[in-house]
Amino acid sequence: EVQLVESGGGLVQPGRSLRLSCAASGFTFDDYAMHWVRQAPGKGLEWVSGISWNSGSIGYADSVKGRFTISRDNAKNSLYLQMNSLRAEDTALYYCAKVVGYCSSTSCYVYFDYWGQGTLVTVSS
Amino acid sequence: SYVLTQPPSVSVAPGKTARITCGGNNIGSKSVHWYQQKPGQAPVLVIYYDSDRPSGIPERFSGSNSGNTATLTISRVEAGDEADYYCQVWDSSSDHQVFGTGTKVTVL
Repeated sequence: EVQLVESGGGLVQPGRSLRLSCAASGFTFDDYAMHWVRQAPGKGLEWVSGISWNSGSIGYADSVKGRFTISRDNAKNSLYLQMNSLRAEDTALYYCAKVVGYCSSTSCYVYFDYWGQGTLVTVSS
Repeated sequence: SYVLTQPPSVSVAPGKTARITCGGNNIGSKSVHWYQQKPGQAPVLVIYYDSDRPSGIPERFSGSNSGNTATLTISRVEAGDEADYYCQVWDSSSDHQVFGTGTKVTVL
């Protein structure tokens, strides 16, 4: 059974840092890309960042680029999100999600087949 | 950046058909995926590659995609289908994943 368990959320002051973790089990972790998706209270889903199976390809939403860093440790079956210079608008439930699909030279056909339950990040003074 | 527009809400009586649209520029050329999210729960994939259903998802859920609109159709709606629904695509110009604005389905 696929399981994704996020941790590391909490209350943090604006400008400070936080590191989220996602522990994966039930599948061959290093075969799959992994992503972070967040959801502000009462709002919709927002893609945050993604990383390929070997960390060779990484992407960020414009809203977090330069402040957040995604990484993974395939030996530990874990995904991470280092969040620096946090802002009030970063307050959200952060989900890690397993990705399935493929990319050709011109397009990508990828979707999120499993999601964790999320970890809540609250940025407030 | 690529924008996906969904109606904020759709109301449907039990046993009837709900249609949730996802509008985007030439979305028919992209692969669209749909997620169901019930209150307090993580999203669940209900349709991928425009019209494929994951195992465990009822046949009542179907999808289509053409032109500037993708559609998620829920037939014979049940009370348990009440949830928020999101469409998702990959945007080639930004190399980003993009989610729709979300639609709340209410079963009357």
